[in-house]
Amino acid sequence: AQKITQTQPGMFVQEKEAVTLDCTYDTSDQSYGLFWYKQPSSGEMIFLIYQGSYDEQNATEGRYSLNFQKARKSANLVISASQLGDSAMYFCAMRGRYNFNKFYFGSGTKLNVKP
Amino acid sequence: DTGVSQNPRHKITKRGQNVTFRCDPISEHNRLYWYRQTLGQGPEFLTYFQNEAQLEKSRLLSDRFSAERPKGSFSTLEIQRTEQGDSAMYLCASSLGGTSGTSGKNTGELFFGEGSRLTVL
Repeated sequence: AQKITQTQPGMFVQEKEAVTLDCTYDTSDQSYGLFWYKQPSSGEMIFLIYQGSYDEQNATEGRYSLNFQKARKSANLVISASQLGDSAMYFCAMRGRYNFNKFYFGSGTKLNVKP
Repeated sequence: DTGVSQNPRHKITKRGQNVTFRCDPISEHNRLYWYRQTLGQGPEFLTYFQNEAQLEKSRLLSDRFSAERPKGSFSTLEIQRTEQGDSAMYLCASSLGGTSGTSGKNTGELFFGEGSRLTVL
């Protein structure tokens, strides 16, 4: 079975500072993909960043980077230079890399950016 | 707007009534998913279509739930004899199978709609 764990229900960060959102996963698959999504109060899930299990480099997309530690089964999201608009729920998700049928989501982290 | 569209955005109904949600995916996407999300939780998988074929259903999808995707385009999710426990946000997502995704990677990321919030009184 695949499982995603996000242990931080809520986080606060000062505007312009960096913040790390934790994600650990459990899978017996050798090949898998890890995703982070942002969900603002409007409800839409917005894709942020992807990391493949065989990717040697940590993924980066603008202010988002993924700190992938395969041996520890962790895929933490780092947001640099936080902005007020970053305040939202953040979900870590996983699926088998060649099974597009099902994504497993964590319970999410509520990020609040303080001015 | 070429994103995933869901309607209605909000639905309030009385217990025992039937409700239907519609999802219009991104036009070139052949895969369509329904997820359910309750307050404080991440989305839970309900069902998945590839084109018009419903290939997988979660155990969460009781007999009162039915989903269709005629002609492999839009999809509907119907809940019959609603119960208070059905109150949730119902999210639709689509994706393009094969080598696709942002930055030329085969990520297969899901593109979500804004969801349909159901409240059962």
